[in-house]
Amino acid sequence: AQSVTQPDIHITVSEGASLELRCNYSYGATPYLFWYVQSPGQGLQLLLKYFSGDTLVQGIKGFEAEFKRSQSSFNLRKPSVHWSDAAEYFCAVGEVNTGTASKLTFGTGTRLQVTL
Amino acid sequence: DAGITQSPRHKVTETGTPVTLRCHQTENHRYMYWYRQDPGHGLRLIHYSYGVKDTDKGEVSDGYSVSRSKTEDFLLTLESATSSQTSVYFCAISEWTGIGQYFGPGTRLTVT
Repeated sequence: AQSVTQPDIHITVSEGASLELRCNYSYGATPYLFWYVQSPGQGLQLLLKYFSGDTLVQGIKGFEAEFKRSQSSFNLRKPSVHWSDAAEYFCAVGEVNTGTASKLTFGTGTRLQVTL
Repeated sequence: DAGITQSPRHKVTETGTPVTLRCHQTENHRYMYWYRQDPGHGLRLIHYSYGVKDTDKGEVSDGYSVSRSKTEDFLLTLESATSSQTSVYFCAISEWTGIGQYFGPGTRLTVT
């Protein structure tokens, strides 16, 4: 079965600093990969996705992520964090060729705090 | 934003009472999902649907049932609510795995 690990429960960065959130997955082949963001009291918003092609993908709000097959990782990055980026971030993996299923497995999330 | 609404947005109920949460979409997507979100657990899939009247269990389906009689509506029922079902419930929709899932605003359910 597929699984996702987000090793950092909580990260604090200063505004303007760079950010990298880690995500490792377990899956037998190249999966679909996603990053979501959740602001307090809100639903999840899709930041970016990867399922083929260029391993560096660009998303909304200035985020990017890089797929590294050899490391089974899909880390999220942003060169300069803004105070409004404070939120919880979830990595997710989806199966390919699932027949009737189209399910995602989510990591437990990383809470980002931004200090001014 | 994808057209997904959830109702009610907040509900407080007593142990042992039945509760139904509704998810409504205007996107005509094939797949619909119910998740629960609890601290330290991320999102866990309760049930999902891959078409009208076609549903299947997720990883935490005990105590929950679902129904989908129309493409746009997916109902989650707690037959007899327990305190362990206090949670935030999210509905999501998708057309296929590769594009990801789009989430509703959530329903905060408290079982006293």
